[in-house]
Amino acid sequence: SQWGEENLQALSIQEGEDVTMNCSYKTYTTVVQWYRQKSGKGPAQLILIRSNEREKRSGRLRATLDTSSQSSSLSITGTLATDTAVYFCAATGNTGKLIFGLGTTLQVQP
Amino acid sequence: DTTVKQNPRYKLARVGKPVNLICSQTMNHDTMYWYQKKPNQAPKLLLFYYDKILNREADTFEKFQSSRPNNSFCSLYIGSAGLEYSAMYLCASSRDGQGSYEQYFGPGTRLTVL
Repeated sequence: SQWGEENLQALSIQEGEDVTMNCSYKTYTTVVQWYRQKSGKGPAQLILIRSNEREKRSGRLRATLDTSSQSSSLSITGTLATDTAVYFCAATGNTGKLIFGLGTTLQVQP
Repeated sequence: DTTVKQNPRYKLARVGKPVNLICSQTMNHDTMYWYQKKPNQAPKLLLFYYDKILNREADTFEKFQSSRPNNSFCSLYIGSAGLEYSAMYLCASSRDGQGSYEQYFGPGTRLTVL
């Protein structure tokens, strides 16, 4: 597996709180993407961060990529109930394919 | 329009029977993918088409077939369904097959094999 020894994570927080989700990967990666999957829908991309970028922001979202520790994080500030979803990180390795992590289930209580 | 459509949304199949799932996109994307998603597991790439070239993953090579009659449509075919095929099947498309661009996903087809 491209991904480290991560357990399937589930987080439950209150609306308005900030949250950070982490991923680590084993092999060389050129691109990390974060996807969100809401109930009944397919995954939708949130952020794409390349190996020459350390940080990328999009609205309330912030992604980081640390190639030295082979890890990435996604932070959401001021969460809303509508942020409730499963969040996947996905990395592109030397095969050119996108390898998904197990995902983090985030429940934001209103 | 960045919509990827999948039909049917739900499919019930009997063990040993064939299953055919359909995906379409109108973004003129070169690459179309099929993933299998089981509960508490990561989406698993089964195969993808880059233009007219089919690439199947080594561990699912014999289990799944696919066709892409034109740029917009792609099917996933299971010749003889087994209980282990019960899963969500996600179709996606992207501009390239190098993983450097966003993949657009359809809503999925939930396959239940009995």
